[in-house]
Amino acid sequence: DAMVIQNPRYQVTQFGKPVTLSCSQTLNHNVMYWYQQKSSQAPKLLFHYYDKDFNNEADTPDNFQSRRPNTSFCFLDIRSPGLGDAAMYLCATSRDFGGLGTEAFFGQGTRLTVV
Amino acid sequence: GENVEQHPSTLSVQEGDSAVIKCTYSDSASNYFPWYKQELGKGPQLIIDIRSNVGEKKDQRIAVTLNKTAKHFSLHITETQPEDSAVYFCAAIFSGGGADGLTFGKGTHLIIQP
Repeated sequence: DAMVIQNPRYQVTQFGKPVTLSCSQTLNHNVMYWYQQKSSQAPKLLFHYYDKDFNNEADTPDNFQSRRPNTSFCFLDIRSPGLGDAAMYLCATSRDFGGLGTEAFFGQGTRLTVV
Repeated sequence: GENVEQHPSTLSVQEGDSAVIKCTYSDSASNYFPWYKQELGKGPQLIIDIRSNVGEKKDQRIAVTLNKTAKHFSLHITETQPEDSAVYFCAAIFSGGGADGLTFGKGTHLIIQP
Protein backbone atom coordinates (compact mmCIF):
# COMPACT_ATOMS: atom_id res chain seq x y z
CA ASP A 1 0.00 0.00 0.00
CA ALA A 2 1.23 3.46 -0.89
CA MET A 3 2.54 5.33 2.13
CA VAL A 4 3.30 8.67 0.46
CA ILE A 5 0.56 9.64 -1.95
CA GLN A 6 0.77 12.48 -4.40
CA ASN A 7 -2.12 13.93 -6.34
CA PRO A 8 -2.56 14.41 -9.13
CA ARG A 9 -0.01 12.23 -10.95
CA TYR A 10 -0.14 14.56 -13.95
CA GLN A 11 -1.02 18.24 -13.90
CA VAL A 12 -1.26 20.63 -16.82
CA THR A 13 -1.46 24.32 -16.01
CA GLN A 14 -1.38 27.52 -17.98
CA PHE A 15 1.54 29.89 -17.86
CA GLY A 16 1.00 32.22 -14.90
CA LYS A 17 -1.99 30.36 -13.49
CA PRO A 18 -1.58 29.31 -9.83
CA VAL A 19 -1.43 25.58 -9.23
CA THR A 20 -1.39 23.42 -6.10
CA LEU A 21 0.09 19.95 -5.76
CA SER A 22 -0.79 17.78 -2.81
CA CYS A 23 0.93 15.10 -0.77
CA SER A 24 -0.38 12.91 2.00
CA GLN A 25 1.35 10.32 4.16
CA THR A 26 0.17 7.43 6.30
CA LEU A 27 3.52 7.00 8.08
CA ASN A 28 2.97 9.71 10.72
CA HIS A 29 6.44 11.05 9.94
CA ASN A 30 7.61 14.34 11.36
CA VAL A 31 9.43 15.56 8.26
CA MET A 32 7.93 16.23 4.85
CA TYR A 33 10.01 17.39 1.88
CA TRP A 34 9.32 18.80 -1.56
CA TYR A 35 11.82 18.14 -4.34
CA GLN A 36 11.85 19.34 -7.92
CA GLN A 37 13.25 16.95 -10.53
CA LYS A 38 13.77 18.13 -14.08
CA SER A 39 14.28 15.72 -16.94
CA SER A 40 17.40 13.57 -16.58
CA GLN A 41 18.47 15.42 -13.44
CA ALA A 42 18.72 14.61 -9.76
CA PRO A 43 15.98 15.68 -7.35
CA LYS A 44 16.60 19.15 -5.93
CA LEU A 45 15.29 20.08 -2.49
CA LEU A 46 12.90 23.04 -2.46
CA PHE A 47 11.90 23.07 1.22
CA HIS A 48 10.88 20.88 4.09
CA TYR A 49 8.78 20.88 7.24
CA TYR A 50 9.78 19.41 10.56
CA ASP A 51 6.34 19.19 12.11
CA LYS A 52 5.11 22.78 11.64
CA ASP A 53 8.57 24.32 11.32
CA PHE A 54 9.18 25.40 7.74
CA ASN A 55 12.68 25.44 6.20
CA ASN A 56 13.21 27.01 2.81
CA GLU A 57 16.29 26.30 0.71
CA ALA A 58 18.20 29.50 -0.04
CA ASP A 59 17.85 29.16 -3.81
CA THR A 60 14.15 28.20 -3.90
CA PRO A 61 12.30 30.90 -5.88
CA ASP A 62 9.68 32.95 -4.07
CA ASN A 63 7.22 31.65 -6.63
CA PHE A 64 7.15 28.38 -4.67
CA GLN A 65 5.28 28.20 -1.39
CA SER A 66 4.21 25.36 0.86
CA ARG A 67 1.59 24.62 3.48
CA ARG A 68 1.32 21.84 6.02
CA PRO A 69 -2.05 22.05 7.74
CA ASN A 70 -1.55 18.84 9.71
CA THR A 71 0.86 15.91 10.07
CA SER A 72 -0.58 13.98 7.15
CA PHE A 73 -0.84 16.61 4.43
CA CYS A 74 1.53 18.98 2.69
CA PHE A 75 0.88 21.21 -0.30
CA LEU A 76 3.12 22.83 -2.88
CA ASP A 77 1.78 26.08 -4.32
CA ILE A 78 3.28 27.59 -7.45
CA ARG A 79 1.96 31.11 -7.61
CA SER A 80 2.81 31.97 -11.22
CA PRO A 81 4.16 28.95 -13.07
CA GLY A 82 6.63 29.63 -15.83
CA LEU A 83 7.78 27.30 -18.60
CA GLY A 84 10.92 26.61 -16.59
CA ASP A 85 8.85 25.17 -13.75
CA ALA A 86 7.78 22.18 -15.80
CA ALA A 87 9.18 19.21 -13.90
CA MET A 88 8.40 16.21 -11.74
CA TYR A 89 7.62 17.31 -8.20
CA LEU A 90 8.41 14.74 -5.55
CA CYS A 91 7.15 14.63 -2.00
CA ALA A 92 9.09 12.64 0.59
CA THR A 93 8.85 11.95 4.30
CA SER A 94 11.18 10.84 7.05
CA ARG A 95 10.49 10.05 10.67
CA ASP A 96 13.20 12.34 11.90
CA PHE A 97 16.50 13.94 10.90
CA GLY A 98 18.84 11.93 13.04
CA GLY A 99 19.68 8.34 13.80
CA LEU A 100 17.50 5.58 12.47
CA GLY A 101 14.75 7.98 11.45
CA THR A 102 16.65 9.44 8.55
CA GLU A 103 15.30 7.12 5.86
CA ALA A 104 13.31 9.12 3.32
CA PHE A 105 10.36 7.64 1.46
CA PHE A 106 9.16 9.19 -1.76
CA GLY A 107 5.79 9.43 -3.41
CA GLN A 108 5.27 8.65 -7.08
CA GLY A 109 5.55 12.30 -8.03
CA THR A 110 3.41 14.79 -9.92
CA ARG A 111 4.46 15.57 -13.47
CA LEU A 112 3.73 19.26 -14.06
CA THR A 113 3.37 20.60 -17.59
CA VAL A 114 3.11 24.35 -18.20
CA VAL A 115 1.45 25.46 -21.45
CA GLY B 1 27.19 22.46 1.62
CA GLU B 2 27.44 18.86 0.52
CA ASN B 3 28.38 17.93 -3.04
CA VAL B 4 27.91 14.40 -4.39
CA GLU B 5 29.57 13.19 -7.58
CA GLN B 6 28.29 9.99 -9.25
CA HIS B 7 29.83 7.87 -12.00
CA PRO B 8 29.18 6.61 -14.58
CA SER B 9 26.20 8.48 -15.98
CA THR B 10 25.26 5.46 -18.11
CA LEU B 11 26.18 1.83 -17.52
CA SER B 12 25.30 -1.03 -19.84
CA VAL B 13 25.92 -4.61 -18.69
CA GLN B 14 24.95 -8.05 -19.90
CA GLU B 15 22.21 -9.83 -17.99
CA GLY B 16 23.82 -11.92 -15.27
CA ASP B 17 26.92 -9.73 -14.99
CA SER B 18 27.68 -7.38 -12.10
CA ALA B 19 27.22 -3.61 -12.08
CA VAL B 20 29.09 -1.11 -9.94
CA ILE B 21 28.17 2.54 -9.46
CA LYS B 22 30.47 4.90 -7.57
CA CYS B 23 29.89 8.11 -5.64
CA THR B 24 32.08 10.58 -3.80
CA TYR B 25 30.99 13.17 -1.29
CA SER B 26 32.60 16.35 -0.05
CA ASP B 27 31.33 16.92 3.51
CA SER B 28 33.19 14.74 5.98
CA ALA B 29 30.31 15.27 8.43
CA SER B 30 27.91 13.30 6.23
CA ASN B 31 27.04 10.04 7.93
CA TYR B 32 24.09 8.54 6.07
CA PHE B 33 24.28 7.32 2.47
CA PRO B 34 21.17 5.90 0.78
CA TRP B 35 20.76 4.56 -2.72
CA TYR B 36 17.56 5.03 -4.68
CA LYS B 37 16.22 3.29 -7.77
CA GLN B 38 13.93 5.31 -10.02
CA GLU B 39 11.93 3.73 -12.80
CA LEU B 40 10.54 5.81 -15.62
CA GLY B 41 7.68 8.05 -14.47
CA LYS B 42 7.91 6.94 -10.84
CA GLY B 43 9.32 8.31 -7.62
CA PRO B 44 12.67 7.16 -6.22
CA GLN B 45 12.57 3.95 -4.19
CA LEU B 46 15.04 3.35 -1.38
CA ILE B 47 16.90 0.11 -2.10
CA ILE B 48 19.74 0.11 0.41
CA ASP B 49 21.54 2.50 2.73
CA ILE B 50 24.64 2.61 4.87
CA ARG B 51 25.73 4.64 7.87
CA SER B 52 29.21 5.88 8.54
CA ASN B 53 29.85 3.42 11.36
CA VAL B 54 29.61 0.53 8.90
CA GLY B 55 31.96 -0.35 6.02
CA GLU B 56 29.72 -2.68 4.04
CA LYS B 57 26.10 -3.77 3.91
CA LYS B 58 24.48 -6.45 1.80
CA ASP B 59 20.90 -7.29 0.91
CA GLN B 60 20.57 -10.29 -1.42
CA ARG B 61 22.02 -9.20 -4.79
CA ILE B 62 22.69 -5.63 -3.69
CA ALA B 63 25.59 -4.41 -1.61
CA VAL B 64 26.98 -1.01 -0.64
CA THR B 65 30.51 -0.23 0.51
CA LEU B 66 31.73 2.90 2.24
CA ASN B 67 35.25 4.29 2.53
CA LYS B 68 35.08 7.20 4.98
CA THR B 69 38.73 8.13 4.58
CA ALA B 70 38.41 8.53 0.83
CA LYS B 71 34.84 9.83 1.12
CA HIS B 72 33.42 7.47 -1.44
CA PHE B 73 30.76 4.80 -1.49
CA SER B 74 29.67 2.30 -4.11
CA LEU B 75 26.64 0.25 -5.10
CA HIS B 76 27.21 -3.29 -6.29
CA ILE B 77 24.52 -5.31 -8.05
CA THR B 78 25.33 -8.95 -8.80
CA GLU B 79 23.57 -11.34 -11.19
CA THR B 80 21.80 -8.46 -12.89
CA GLN B 81 18.30 -9.00 -14.24
CA PRO B 82 16.21 -7.03 -16.76
CA GLU B 83 14.12 -5.53 -13.94
CA ASP B 84 17.27 -3.90 -12.59
CA SER B 85 17.18 -1.48 -15.53
CA ALA B 86 16.47 1.97 -14.07
CA VAL B 87 18.16 5.18 -12.97
CA TYR B 88 20.06 4.85 -9.70
CA PHE B 89 20.82 7.81 -7.44
CA CYS B 90 23.24 7.95 -4.57
CA ALA B 91 22.74 10.54 -1.83
CA ALA B 92 24.36 11.82 1.33
CA ILE B 93 23.26 13.68 4.43
CA PHE B 94 24.45 14.58 7.88
CA SER B 95 21.77 13.00 10.04
CA GLY B 96 22.81 14.55 13.32
CA GLY B 97 19.76 16.74 13.59
CA GLY B 98 18.75 20.06 12.10
CA ALA B 99 19.87 18.87 8.69
CA ASP B 100 18.40 19.74 5.32
CA GLY B 101 17.28 17.07 2.90
CA LEU B 102 19.37 14.64 0.96
CA THR B 103 21.97 15.78 -1.55
CA PHE B 104 21.74 13.56 -4.60
CA GLY B 105 24.26 12.54 -7.21
CA LYS B 106 23.29 13.13 -10.85
CA GLY B 107 22.16 9.55 -11.37
CA THR B 108 23.30 6.50 -13.33
CA HIS B 109 21.16 5.03 -16.06
CA LEU B 110 21.68 1.28 -15.75
CA ILE B 111 20.80 -0.74 -18.84
CA ILE B 112 20.68 -4.52 -18.62
CA GLN B 113 21.26 -6.10 -22.02
CA PRO B 114 19.46 -9.45 -22.54
